[in-house]
Amino acid sequence: DTAVSQTPKYLVTQMGNDKSIKCEQNLGHDTMYWYKQDSKKFLKIMFSYNNKELIINETVPNRFSPKSPDKAHLNLHINSLELGDSAVYFCASSQAAGNEQFFGPGTRLTVL
Amino acid sequence: DQQVKQNSPSLSVQEGRISILNCDYTNSMFDYFLWYKKYPAEGPTFLISISSIKDKNEDGRFTVFLNKSAKHLSLHIVPSQPGDSAVYFCAARKKRGSTLGRLYFGRGTQLTVWP
Repeated sequence: DTAVSQTPKYLVTQMGNDKSIKCEQNLGHDTMYWYKQDSKKFLKIMFSYNNKELIINETVPNRFSPKSPDKAHLNLHINSLELGDSAVYFCASSQAAGNEQFFGPGTRLTVL
Repeated sequence: DQQVKQNSPSLSVQEGRISILNCDYTNSMFDYFLWYKKYPAEGPTFLISISSIKDKNEDGRFTVFLNKSAKHLSLHIVPSQPGDSAVYFCAARKKRGSTLGRLYFGRGTQLTVWP
């Protein structure tokens, strides 16, 4: 009964490939997020969806495309992977008016 | 530009003593501050928060202090326990009306509590 789950936990792939990371939350939250933690350990927001609508879109390359089929899911699709995309990607969720975000366990993406 | 800064990448404390983790911010529009704790191979978990209308919030062994004039907050853990060894992230949020839920994170401080 994990609150926020992500799959896969580890992803190793070649440059130029397309890959997806899935996120699901069972907390009944209506806002979901994707964060990237780079090699310098900075946690930076990439996207946020509220009720399936995009509300935050940081300066992320358009090779990254989030998709929210419903309030409980926010998937991240990455096209034409580059070496610099190697990082840990965290999904999170919260109530729209709440301040506390619940994070998934992370997906470690390695691009070779 | 880092609007939330944790200038100490690591802190080592003996079990039973106090751990003090510091955080500075630059944006006066921040009105809510949070601390998250992260173990290896896990996502950050919420620990404690404080609103800008307060200067202190306490939850068990954890206390957060906010000094708005100095744009500084600190997390005190008393007494420290080995299980507290983790990376602690400071985060801040802007006043309502701006982008919903957007948190700005510091770089984290690795706390090690030794017996």
